[in-house]
Amino acid sequence: KAGVTQTPRYLIKTRGQQVTLSCSPISGHRSVSWYQQTPGQGLQFLFEYFSETQRNKGNFPGRFSGRQFSNSRSEMNVSTLELGDSALYLCASSLLGGGWNEQFFGPGTRLTVL
Amino acid sequence: EDQVTQSPEALRLQEGESSSLNCSYTVSGLRGLFWYRQDPGKGPEFLFTLYSAGEEKEKERLKATLTKKESFLHITAPKPEDSATYLCAPGMDDKIIFGKGTRLHILP
Repeated sequence: KAGVTQTPRYLIKTRGQQVTLSCSPISGHRSVSWYQQTPGQGLQFLFEYFSETQRNKGNFPGRFSGRQFSNSRSEMNVSTLELGDSALYLCASSLLGGGWNEQFFGPGTRLTVL
Repeated sequence: EDQVTQSPEALRLQEGESSSLNCSYTVSGLRGLFWYRQDPGKGPEFLFTLYSAGEEKEKERLKATLTKKESFLHITAPKPEDSATYLCAPGMDDKIIFGKGTRLHILP
């Protein structure tokens, strides 16, 4: 069974640009969650999508947005990039989501903002 | 406010030296407690789910236990390949929150 895939794996952008990251969950999983990981803050929850609907959202500015498609693939967009957005962005796939089911993570996208 | 704290932040052990990692949590309505292992530059790898106090799960040299306010990850006779960051994550109805992890380094 294929795992969670994320593209691209590495990205370098400059301040003010925007970026789109992609995540393909495990086949049959309907929930996709996104996290930002930095050395100082650890794993911070961005949002969760389930059946194309945003089900939960973390405490991030509106520059961070996402969507989920009918095949459960998800994209995350960050507009007007800031230096502080440099981080490892992780996508996690879960059968039904919420706090009951284990999440399976992709390898992440390393975003560097210059 | 929902909180999770892991201790110690970092731990260095000699190969074969057993120890325990602690995860203390204060959450409203625990549904599951998850443990992950993360290697540098990679995504976390799922290890265990614990659902109720008293439950234990084992995998190779790792054993996870759960009480009403804490979880422990016991590592027995560790090897250098067990070096990683171990993350604890309590799950509630609508979300999972992650601790900042314990960085474990096993010296050969």
